[in-house]
Amino acid sequence: DGGITQSPKYLFRKEGQNVTLSCEQNLNHDAMYWYRQDPGQGLRLIYYSQIVNDFQKGDIAEGYSVSREKKESFPLTVTSAQKNPTAFYLCASYMTVYGYTFGSGTRLTVV
Amino acid sequence: QQQVKQSPQSLIVQKGGISIINCAYENTAFDYFPWYQQFPGKGPALLIAIRPDVSEKKEGRFTISFNKSAKQFSLHIMDSQPGDSATYFCAASKRFGNEKLTFGTGTRLTIIP
Repeated sequence: DGGITQSPKYLFRKEGQNVTLSCEQNLNHDAMYWYRQDPGQGLRLIYYSQIVNDFQKGDIAEGYSVSREKKESFPLTVTSAQKNPTAFYLCASYMTVYGYTFGSGTRLTVV
Repeated sequence: QQQVKQSPQSLIVQKGGISIINCAYENTAFDYFPWYQQFPGKGPALLIAIRPDVSEKKEGRFTISFNKSAKQFSLHIMDSQPGDSATYFCAASKRFGNEKLTFGTGTRLTIIP
């Protein structure tokens, strides 16, 4: 089945630690997105990539980094510079006609 | 700056009733307006979407009403069922969805028996 796989489902981060969230898609979609979801704030865009080896900052990119070395993969690193990383992180892919497809998310908690 | 405003934040509707969620946008360059449904612990799933060249779109029990002059659009769920209990997000995009989505803040809908 085609879709987006996010892993892990739950992730715990210690203070000062970098962690990487995985996002893989087998839909052959060109564009991929990372959103952060907090209660009462909807989904806010962190980074997006419309083609391989190219990506742009979204509205809340500070403290995050991404790479897009393969069409299928768009990992997100939450760095120690992100002061409030506890949130639900959603990855999405997009292609014209098919629209947006979201993964099932990763819940990150700082311990 | 919040470009898409959504209300209400939460909504309780009796089974069989009509659920109505409203959104307003500011950027007149938006030309694609989808609604997403999200269950706890899951990613959002596309429910229905509309472009500004039509004033209404219906799919089953779900209808989008669009008012271009007022820059508002709304989701109506007819004959609401307990299985409709979820969080609903409106969103907007430019270039008919070929650009990033801007989301509303979400509405938690609860359908009671």
